[in-house]
Amino acid sequence: GENVEQHPSTLSVQEGDSAVIKCTYSDSASNYFPWYKQELGKGPQLIIDIRSNVGEKKDQRIAVTLNKTAKHFSLHITETQPEDSAVYFCAASEGNFNKFYFGSGTKLNVKP
Amino acid sequence: GAVVSQHPSRVICKSGTSVKIECRSLDFQATTMFWYRQFPKQSLMLMATSNEGSKATYEQGVEKDKFLINHASLTLSTLTVTSAHPEDSSFYICSASISGGGQYPKQYFGPGTRLTVL
Repeated sequence: GENVEQHPSTLSVQEGDSAVIKCTYSDSASNYFPWYKQELGKGPQLIIDIRSNVGEKKDQRIAVTLNKTAKHFSLHITETQPEDSAVYFCAASEGNFNKFYFGSGTKLNVKP
Repeated sequence: GAVVSQHPSRVICKSGTSVKIECRSLDFQATTMFWYRQFPKQSLMLMATSNEGSKATYEQGVEKDKFLINHASLTLSTLTVTSAHPEDSSFYICSASISGGGQYPKQYFGPGTRLTVL
């Protein structure tokens, strides 16, 4: 089955700096890669996703890049703000089958 | 749009009792619902996949007689933890999936239910 690895496990940045979280996957059949943000005591919220026919996608301060050949994808957050502090999870899915495989999570701390 | 609710948000029960958790998609019909379990500072562990009107598919190692799933409609799935024990204490999260129309299935998560078994 699919194996998703996520790094780093924790990340501290100064407010205004950029943050990058990286994930790798093992199954070349995976073709959909969402990113979720989870605040303490809450369920994960979808923040951005990318499909395998696209190399990059941006939504304001958030961007995701995908390298299918190397089987890795990354989340980029620019101009970080304290409210970006949360745990971020990447996931991979072979779209037709619905099932998501999650990374282990990255705790992002944005220091004011 | 794509709002998923869970009820209750917190439950404390005595060992040996059963607890039911509801998951509802409020503004869309979900083709599939998923139940996850999350331990502190860990990732989400998929427990089972549920389609309306059919039996749930459980992941390896998850006891189907312990964690009963009923997916009665396209907007409601329930998870019942039967004869709960302290080791069942965890954060249970459901998600609902939208697919079709040529779109890849997206999962939208509920806010979670914190179960504490005394």
